[in-house]
Amino acid sequence: QSVLPQAPSASGTPGQRVTVSCSGNSSNIGSNYVYWYQQLPGAAPKLIIYRSNQRPSGVPDRFSGSQSGTSASLAISGLRSEDEADYYCASWDDRSFAVVFGGGTKLTVL
Amino acid sequence: EVQVVESGGGLVQPGGSLRLSCITSGFTFTNYWMTWVRQAPGKGLEWVANIKEDGNEKYYVGSVKGRFTISRDNAKNSVYLQMNSLRAEDTAFYYCARGNDYGPDFDHWGQGTLVTVSS
Repeated sequence: QSVLPQAPSASGTPGQRVTVSCSGNSSNIGSNYVYWYQQLPGAAPKLIIYRSNQRPSGVPDRFSGSQSGTSASLAISGLRSEDEADYYCASWDDRSFAVVFGGGTKLTVL
Repeated sequence: EVQVVESGGGLVQPGGSLRLSCITSGFTFTNYWMTWVRQAPGKGLEWVANIKEDGNEKYYVGSVKGRFTISRDNAKNSVYLQMNSLRAEDTAFYYCARGNDYGPDFDHWGQGTLVTVSS
């Protein structure tokens, strides 16, 4: 069981908007930023959202992040086939002094 | 161009040791934390350890404390992971990544090196 539970799967059709969620507690998401990673099949993870809602240069503005209380979400609008990947949330945990990852959500573009 | 390249993975017996290396280039190494993240085949990401710019602050996931040691050589722009008392559950791809602080702000990753613990 991951420290930051995520739904194992999500899906959408091209052009749709999908949301991937991540939940935590007061020692991690409730008091620290959330980061989101995209991992394409066979590739290393790629940072797509930092500090909960900031996009690194080169990441399309179709990707957006939000955080409220002890939960966070990644939204992908205008879904494209190349968005099919695993998505992971991550945060720092003040209690364990460790980085914690979500279990990952596999996004399928139908 | 920022480059992060891991090496040192391989097959090792349970109870054995292995040292992973991560060589970097294209940025001022001493300005960044460095981290190791692993991923068992077909599984999710698990953070392993990170180390501050000057090497004086380190953090580990609970399951590797006392067995793994992270270190860095700023003169060689390199970070290492010494893994002792290896277990089958340590089998994974090990990724090295550049961090902007102690948290999970990992903006450049290597391609990973596979560690297999098996008899």
